[in-house]
Amino acid sequence: DAKTTQPNSMESNEEEPVHLPCNHSTISGTDYIHWYRQLPSQGPEYVIHGLTSNVNNRMASLAIAEDRKSSTLILHRATLRDAAVYYCILRDVRNAGNMLTFGGGTRLMVKP
Amino acid sequence: ETGVTQSPTHLIKTRGQQVTLRCSSQSGHNTVSWYQQALGQGPQFIFQYYREEENGRGNFPPRFSGLQFPNYSSELNVNALELDDSALYLCASSLLTSGTDTQYFGPGTRLTVL
Repeated sequence: DAKTTQPNSMESNEEEPVHLPCNHSTISGTDYIHWYRQLPSQGPEYVIHGLTSNVNNRMASLAIAEDRKSSTLILHRATLRDAAVYYCILRDVRNAGNMLTFGGGTRLMVKP
Repeated sequence: ETGVTQSPTHLIKTRGQQVTLRCSSQSGHNTVSWYQQALGQGPQFIFQYYREEENGRGNFPPRFSGLQFPNYSSELNVNALELDDSALYLCASSLLTSGTDTQYFGPGTRLTVL
């Protein structure tokens, strides 16, 4: 799977938007961009995924660059509960059931 | 719909011993994956089972083995424990359809090897 690069940590104020970047310059045409997050003392949980178009769900929005070499996870109003490690992961749609390849992720800290 | 559960929550073993960790998949899921997460790092893929057969394996030695049962519950067995096996072990279940299937993780089992 192609690799992703994320900042080690980011800080945000509560109730402000947060933009978490991810670079994936070697992405292939069949790679989906997935985001998972891991709250303290819990297993990772799915956040969102997309291929080319921007995506929205109840948790977040995913903005994908036109060349697909980068993407941004957007939390519209950060809460203290959003403090977690956020992982950007590429998954090849041709490989059904392939594993998740986690990098180091971005540790998001939310200040009250 | 019940979530993914794992047992035990915590476990302490000594070097050389064997351990069995258990996972109960989310209802309706046919695939289970196991991950090892060392302190301060992202989870690393160990292996995946689909309909009771191993369906992919990461870079882990054969002393890491697994089973998936007809009810889609699963076990991870580790023989000849080493100190470096101390980690959080996570299982994740999914309904295998494509490379976009969402994996649902359990809370993990914290294994300490002394």
